[in-house]
Amino acid sequence: DAGVTQSPTHLIKTRGQQVTLRCSPISGHKSVSWYQQVLGQGPQFIFQYYEKEERGRGNFPDRFSARQFPNYSSELNVNALLLGDSALYLCASSELASSSYNEQFFGPGTRLTVL
Amino acid sequence: GQSLEQPSEVTAVEGAIVQINCTYQTSGFYGLSWYQQHDGGAPTFLSYNALDGLEETGRFSSFLSRSDSYGYLLLQELQMKDSASYFCALGDSNYQLIWGAGTKLIIKP
Repeated sequence: DAGVTQSPTHLIKTRGQQVTLRCSPISGHKSVSWYQQVLGQGPQFIFQYYEKEERGRGNFPDRFSARQFPNYSSELNVNALLLGDSALYLCASSELASSSYNEQFFGPGTRLTVL
Repeated sequence: GQSLEQPSEVTAVEGAIVQINCTYQTSGFYGLSWYQQHDGGAPTFLSYNALDGLEETGRFSSFLSRSDSYGYLLLQELQMKDSASYFCALGDSNYQLIWGAGTKLIIKP
């Protein structure tokens, strides 16, 4: 079975641009979470979606938005990119509604570099 | 707010046992998870403690004490492939996983 997939794997943008990252969860998983991981730090929670509804939002500015589609895939959008948005963006899927108390399966991530 | 503290780096010898500690501050949470991440890779789930006590999964064990706001991951029979970063993470009531900064485990032959 395919694991969590993310695209693209790498991305280079300039300040002020917009970016869309994509994630396909494991088949049968209805929950998708997004994380930002800066080098040398732990992942920071951005969003969690379950059954196409936002269930949780981390402490990120409104420049960050996301959505989940009927097939449970998800997109993360970041507008007006800043240098500080350079990071590894991880997507995780899980079976249950909450990421708080069940195993999450992570994709390989998208490495975003903002110049 | 919530916060977790872990040692930044731990060094151990191949074949030995190592313990990675995690202390936390929170007003409430569902449980404590542990994830492993190799350099350049994605985090992979290791263990989850909802209740106080020890959970054992093969060479890995995890412990939680809610009264002490403390948990640890125990790795036995260390192998070179265990060299990685290890993260503890709290699951809160807002559907979030709050992660520690991670512990880099260095294993020497």
